[in-house]
Amino acid sequence: DTGVSQDPRHKITKRGQNVTFRCDPISEHNRLYWYRQTLGQGPEFLTYFQNEAQLEKSRLLSDRFSAERPKGSFSTLEIQRTEQGDSAMYLCASSATDNYGYTFGSGTRLTVV
Amino acid sequence: QKEVEQNSGPLSVPEGAIASLNCTYSDRGSQSFFWYRQYSGKSPELIMFIYSNGDKEDGRFTAQLNKASQYVSLLIRDSQPSDSATYLCAVFTFQKLVFGTGTRLLVSP
Repeated sequence: DTGVSQDPRHKITKRGQNVTFRCDPISEHNRLYWYRQTLGQGPEFLTYFQNEAQLEKSRLLSDRFSAERPKGSFSTLEIQRTEQGDSAMYLCASSATDNYGYTFGSGTRLTVV
Repeated sequence: QKEVEQNSGPLSVPEGAIASLNCTYSDRGSQSFFWYRQYSGKSPELIMFIYSNGDKEDGRFTAQLNKASQYVSLLIRDSQPSDSATYLCAVFTFQKLVFGTGTRLLVSP
């Protein structure tokens, strides 16, 4: 296990379609985070899991967004009825504790056309 | 007021100079502070963290924290063209990392 893995790396979808992204954290990390980043901005927090429990969701996460982390291992982020404004880099990160920062995956770049 | 504020830059320095990157934060209760480097099209990479007032050095990087002024900075000594990237300040607040918008650093040969 060499780091946080995200799949796919790139996704182009038509407006109105549903998309799902997957994140595999570092195996010993029990905390998993999803962030979204648009050009010229810093990563914005979306949601956070500790083991399988989703502990916080940002106001940015509309009803079209849902995230899961079954069995406390990998996580999925689904966006339903995509809109052009959903185009962004979706970053997953994991950590064992809060003290040493997060390790980010390579991200999934979503383009909605 | 944004929770974490950075000047977006670009900050241009010549090769070999010291680059100074600054960040302010709003939550006085914050205890942990991080600097990430992000190359264009890549994900953020952790380079430094600091918890205590004062300086923390790691190679060419020095992080400085002043909790009374709610101010964090990152100094990069002997800047190299490979240091050209966006530097993100992140503060652990309300149970999660909150990021600034980042400062773009350009190091010219």
